[in-house]
Amino acid sequence: DQQVKQNSPSLSVQEGRISILNCDYTNSMFDYFLWYKKYPAEGPTFLISISSIKDKNEDGRFTVFLNKSAKHLSLHIVPSQPGDSAVYFCAASARTGNQFYFGTGTSLTVIP
Amino acid sequence: DAGITQSPRHKVTETGTPVTLRCHQTENHRYMYWYRQDPGHGLRLIHYSYGVKDTDKGEVSDGYSVSRSKTEDFLLTLESATSSQTSVYFCAISAAGGHGDTQYFGPGTRLTVL
Repeated sequence: DQQVKQNSPSLSVQEGRISILNCDYTNSMFDYFLWYKKYPAEGPTFLISISSIKDKNEDGRFTVFLNKSAKHLSLHIVPSQPGDSAVYFCAASARTGNQFYFGTGTSLTVIP
Repeated sequence: DAGITQSPRHKVTETGTPVTLRCHQTENHRYMYWYRQDPGHGLRLIHYSYGVKDTDKGEVSDGYSVSRSKTEDFLLTLESATSSQTSVYFCAISAAGGHGDTQYFGPGTRLTVL
Protein backbone atom coordinates (compact mmCIF):
# COMPACT_ATOMS: atom_id res chain seq x y z
CA ASP A 1 0.00 0.00 0.00
CA GLN A 2 1.50 3.28 -1.14
CA GLN A 3 2.05 5.47 1.91
CA VAL A 4 3.36 8.41 -0.10
CA LYS A 5 1.49 9.45 -3.22
CA GLN A 6 2.19 11.84 -6.04
CA ASN A 7 -0.98 11.89 -8.05
CA SER A 8 0.29 13.98 -10.95
CA PRO A 9 2.65 11.96 -13.16
CA SER A 10 3.60 15.04 -15.18
CA LEU A 11 3.48 18.82 -15.14
CA SER A 12 4.37 21.43 -17.77
CA VAL A 13 5.12 25.04 -16.87
CA GLN A 14 6.33 28.08 -18.78
CA GLU A 15 9.78 29.40 -17.93
CA GLY A 16 9.57 32.12 -15.28
CA ARG A 17 6.29 30.88 -13.87
CA ILE A 18 5.71 28.99 -10.63
CA SER A 19 5.85 25.18 -10.55
CA ILE A 20 3.84 23.47 -7.81
CA LEU A 21 4.40 19.79 -7.18
CA ASN A 22 2.14 17.98 -4.73
CA CYS A 23 2.53 15.00 -2.45
CA ASP A 24 0.15 13.27 -0.04
CA TYR A 25 0.90 10.78 2.69
CA THR A 26 -1.18 8.45 4.81
CA ASN A 27 1.04 7.52 7.76
CA SER A 28 0.61 9.96 10.65
CA MET A 29 3.93 8.75 12.12
CA PHE A 30 5.90 10.43 9.33
CA ASP A 31 7.73 13.42 10.74
CA TYR A 32 10.39 14.23 8.16
CA PHE A 33 9.82 14.92 4.49
CA LEU A 34 12.22 15.31 1.60
CA TRP A 35 12.16 16.22 -2.07
CA TYR A 36 14.56 14.76 -4.58
CA LYS A 37 15.26 15.72 -8.16
CA LYS A 38 16.27 13.17 -10.75
CA TYR A 39 17.72 13.68 -14.21
CA PRO A 40 17.74 10.81 -16.72
CA ALA A 41 20.58 8.33 -16.25
CA GLU A 42 21.55 9.85 -12.89
CA GLY A 43 20.76 9.06 -9.28
CA PRO A 44 18.25 11.18 -7.36
CA THR A 45 19.76 14.24 -5.71
CA PHE A 46 18.53 15.76 -2.49
CA LEU A 47 16.76 19.08 -2.96
CA ILE A 48 15.06 20.25 0.22
CA SER A 49 13.52 18.83 3.38
CA ILE A 50 11.13 19.81 6.13
CA SER A 51 10.54 18.59 9.65
CA SER A 52 7.01 18.16 10.97
CA ILE A 53 7.63 20.90 13.53
CA LYS A 54 7.66 23.41 10.68
CA ASP A 55 5.10 24.29 8.04
CA LYS A 56 7.48 25.94 5.58
CA ASN A 57 11.10 25.68 4.55
CA GLU A 58 12.74 27.83 1.92
CA ASP A 59 15.99 27.46 0.01
CA GLY A 60 16.50 29.92 -2.80
CA ARG A 61 13.93 29.30 -5.51
CA PHE A 62 12.59 26.21 -3.74
CA THR A 63 10.02 26.24 -0.94
CA VAL A 64 8.36 23.26 0.66
CA PHE A 65 5.06 23.64 2.48
CA LEU A 66 3.70 21.09 4.93
CA ASN A 67 0.04 20.80 5.95
CA LYS A 68 0.00 18.16 8.66
CA SER A 69 -3.74 18.15 9.19
CA ALA A 70 -4.27 17.39 5.50
CA LYS A 71 -1.23 15.11 5.32
CA HIS A 72 -0.09 17.08 2.31
CA LEU A 73 3.12 18.73 1.21
CA SER A 74 4.00 20.75 -1.82
CA LEU A 75 7.15 21.98 -3.51
CA HIS A 76 7.09 25.43 -5.08
CA ILE A 77 9.73 26.46 -7.61
CA VAL A 78 9.82 30.16 -8.40
CA PRO A 79 10.80 31.17 -11.00
CA SER A 80 10.92 27.95 -12.97
CA GLN A 81 13.88 27.46 -15.27
CA PRO A 82 14.45 24.98 -18.13
CA GLY A 83 17.17 23.29 -16.04
CA ASP A 84 14.49 22.39 -13.51
CA SER A 85 13.04 19.90 -15.99
CA ALA A 86 13.41 16.56 -14.20
CA VAL A 87 11.48 13.97 -12.23
CA TYR A 88 10.74 15.04 -8.66
CA PHE A 89 10.20 12.51 -5.90
CA CYS A 90 8.84 13.24 -2.47
CA ALA A 91 9.83 11.00 0.42
CA ALA A 92 8.91 10.60 4.05
CA SER A 93 10.37 8.98 7.12
CA ALA A 94 9.40 8.39 10.73
CA ARG A 95 11.59 8.94 13.78
CA THR A 96 10.76 5.43 14.93
CA GLY A 97 11.88 3.73 11.72
CA ASN A 98 14.89 3.22 9.48
CA GLN A 99 13.22 3.50 6.10
CA PHE A 100 12.32 6.23 3.68
CA TYR A 101 9.10 5.96 1.68
CA PHE A 102 8.96 7.44 -1.79
CA GLY A 103 6.19 8.64 -4.05
CA THR A 104 6.01 7.59 -7.69
CA GLY A 105 7.41 10.87 -8.97
CA THR A 106 6.24 13.84 -11.03
CA SER A 107 7.95 14.67 -14.31
CA LEU A 108 8.31 18.45 -14.60
CA THR A 109 8.90 20.08 -17.97
CA VAL A 110 9.74 23.77 -18.03
CA ILE A 111 9.07 25.22 -21.44
CA PRO A 112 11.43 28.00 -22.59
CA ASP B 1 28.66 14.98 -3.59
CA ALA B 2 28.41 11.98 -1.30
CA GLY B 3 31.05 9.35 -2.10
CA ILE B 4 28.89 6.54 -3.45
CA THR B 5 29.82 4.34 -6.37
CA GLN B 6 27.95 1.47 -7.93
CA SER B 7 29.34 -1.29 -10.10
CA PRO B 8 28.70 -2.31 -12.72
CA ARG B 9 26.87 0.67 -14.18
CA HIS B 10 25.29 -1.44 -16.90
CA LYS B 11 24.76 -5.16 -17.15
CA VAL B 12 22.97 -7.47 -19.53
CA THR B 13 22.44 -11.03 -18.40
CA GLU B 14 20.31 -14.04 -19.17
CA THR B 15 17.42 -15.50 -17.24
CA GLY B 16 18.54 -17.93 -14.58
CA THR B 17 22.04 -16.54 -14.08
CA PRO B 18 23.24 -15.10 -10.76
CA VAL B 19 24.02 -11.40 -10.63
CA THR B 20 25.72 -9.33 -7.94
CA LEU B 21 25.62 -5.56 -7.79
CA ARG B 22 28.03 -3.65 -5.59
CA CYS B 23 27.62 -0.40 -3.72
CA HIS B 24 30.64 1.27 -2.18
CA GLN B 25 30.63 4.35 0.06
CA THR B 26 33.42 6.48 1.46
CA GLU B 27 31.24 8.43 3.95
CA ASN B 28 31.28 5.85 6.76
CA HIS B 29 27.49 6.07 6.99
CA ARG B 30 25.74 3.41 9.06
CA TYR B 31 22.71 2.87 6.83
CA MET B 32 22.76 1.57 3.26
CA TYR B 33 19.80 0.84 1.01
CA TRP B 34 19.01 -0.85 -2.29
CA TYR B 35 16.10 0.45 -4.38
CA ARG B 36 14.76 -0.36 -7.77
CA GLN B 37 13.12 2.20 -10.02
CA ASP B 38 10.46 1.18 -12.49
CA PRO B 39 8.01 3.29 -14.52
CA GLY B 40 4.84 3.97 -12.57
CA HIS B 41 6.33 2.67 -9.33
CA GLY B 42 8.88 5.24 -8.34
CA LEU B 43 11.59 4.05 -5.98
CA ARG B 44 10.85 0.83 -4.13
CA LEU B 45 13.00 -0.46 -1.29
CA ILE B 46 14.48 -3.93 -1.77
CA HIS B 47 16.67 -4.36 1.31
CA TYR B 48 18.54 -2.14 3.68
CA SER B 49 21.33 -2.44 6.20
CA TYR B 50 21.64 -0.70 9.56
CA GLY B 51 25.16 -1.92 10.28
CA VAL B 52 27.74 -4.54 9.39
CA LYS B 53 25.94 -7.88 9.07
CA ASP B 54 22.62 -6.23 10.02
CA THR B 55 20.07 -6.21 7.23
CA ASP B 56 16.31 -6.12 6.82
CA LYS B 57 13.79 -6.60 4.05
CA GLY B 58 12.03 -3.88 2.17
CA GLU B 59 8.87 -3.75 0.13
CA VAL B 60 10.09 -5.86 -2.82
CA SER B 61 12.66 -8.26 -1.38
CA ASP B 62 11.54 -11.52 -3.04
CA GLY B 63 14.26 -12.88 -5.33
CA TYR B 64 16.98 -10.69 -3.81
CA SER B 65 19.53 -11.17 -1.07
CA VAL B 66 22.07 -8.76 0.40
CA SER B 67 25.26 -8.85 2.39
CA ARG B 68 27.28 -6.29 4.25
CA SER B 69 30.60 -7.52 5.59
CA LYS B 70 32.21 -4.08 5.77
CA THR B 71 30.81 -0.65 6.54
CA GLU B 72 31.67 0.63 3.09
CA ASP B 73 30.24 -2.17 0.93
CA PHE B 74 26.68 -3.38 0.42
CA LEU B 75 26.09 -6.15 -2.11
CA LEU B 76 22.81 -7.01 -3.80
CA THR B 77 22.50 -10.50 -5.28
CA LEU B 78 19.92 -11.89 -7.65
CA GLU B 79 20.35 -15.62 -7.15
CA SER B 80 18.60 -16.51 -10.40
CA ALA B 81 17.73 -13.47 -12.47
CA THR B 82 14.30 -13.18 -14.07
CA SER B 83 13.01 -10.75 -16.70
CA SER B 84 10.87 -9.05 -14.05
CA GLN B 85 14.10 -7.95 -12.38
CA THR B 86 15.04 -5.81 -15.37
CA SER B 87 15.23 -2.40 -13.77
CA VAL B 88 17.46 0.44 -12.67
CA TYR B 89 18.95 -0.22 -9.25
CA PHE B 90 20.01 2.55 -6.90
CA CYS B 91 22.07 2.34 -3.78
CA ALA B 92 21.61 4.99 -1.09
CA ILE B 93 23.29 5.85 2.18
CA SER B 94 22.20 7.66 5.31
CA ALA B 95 23.99 8.50 8.53
CA ALA B 96 21.00 8.13 10.84
CA GLY B 97 18.37 6.20 8.91
CA GLY B 98 14.87 7.62 8.97
CA HIS B 99 15.54 9.78 12.00
CA GLY B 100 15.34 13.20 10.43
CA ASP B 101 18.26 12.39 8.19
CA THR B 102 18.85 12.67 4.46
CA GLN B 103 19.54 9.86 2.01
CA TYR B 104 22.15 10.22 -0.69
CA PHE B 105 22.01 8.15 -3.84
CA GLY B 106 24.53 6.51 -6.09
CA PRO B 107 24.47 6.86 -9.90
CA GLY B 108 22.51 3.65 -10.50
CA THR B 109 22.99 0.32 -12.28
CA ARG B 110 20.89 -0.49 -15.31
CA LEU B 111 20.24 -4.24 -15.38
CA THR B 112 18.66 -6.01 -18.31
CA VAL B 113 17.64 -9.66 -17.97
CA LEU B 114 16.99 -11.34 -21.31
